[in-house]
Amino acid sequence: DTGVSQDPRHKITKRGQNVTFRCDPISEHNRLYWYRQTLGQGPEFLTYFQNEAQLEKSRLLSDRFSAERPKGSFSTLEIQRTEQGDSAMYLCASSLRDRGLYETQYFGPGTRLLVL
Amino acid sequence: AQKITQTQPGMFVQEKEAVTLDCTYDTSDQSYGLFWYKQPSSGEMIFLIYQGSYDEQNATEGRYSLNFQKARKSANLVISASQLGDSAMYFCAMREGGDKIIFGKGTRLHILP
Repeated sequence: DTGVSQDPRHKITKRGQNVTFRCDPISEHNRLYWYRQTLGQGPEFLTYFQNEAQLEKSRLLSDRFSAERPKGSFSTLEIQRTEQGDSAMYLCASSLRDRGLYETQYFGPGTRLLVL
Repeated sequence: AQKITQTQPGMFVQEKEAVTLDCTYDTSDQSYGLFWYKQPSSGEMIFLIYQGSYDEQNATEGRYSLNFQKARKSANLVISASQLGDSAMYFCAMREGGDKIIFGKGTRLHILP
């Protein structure tokens, strides 16, 4: 089992390269969230999906960032033309919508990105 | 203004003692939820405990309890009988009725043997 998994766990890339991260949520969860966490800060919301629909995007999500969840299961987060400021931990979380305010998000181990 | 304030950047506590991690929040909503997560050095965010704004009793989960003082907008985490494995970052978070969670900046807890 069957917690949230993320791949890769670590990624080192050169500035200007594109990177793609994958998140596999808990299987029965219909919501999937992406967060970014920089050193010394709490996670910051980027975007989320309910099934395959992307319902909200933060203004932190510049046009170099794109996220998909094509079949309502796994999701990918792509960063194009990476910049050094993109270096952070990218966290994925999933939840089951029907619990209202009691909906709890369960997080994956994160992908740590370093842009050189 | 910050939605979630954690005023203790770091704390040192002797093993087996109880510890209280402070959290205050700012919202004008009547309906909201409060969460605490633990983040060990491995990076994974581990859900600890949840308190709904309408819950009359303080939430408890094993050694974790949430001291919820609604009028003061305070949601402190209490860890009883601390263990070395409790050393980690702890984040307080809130959902206001939307779907995303807003996190505080965290408190780093060090448990001393």
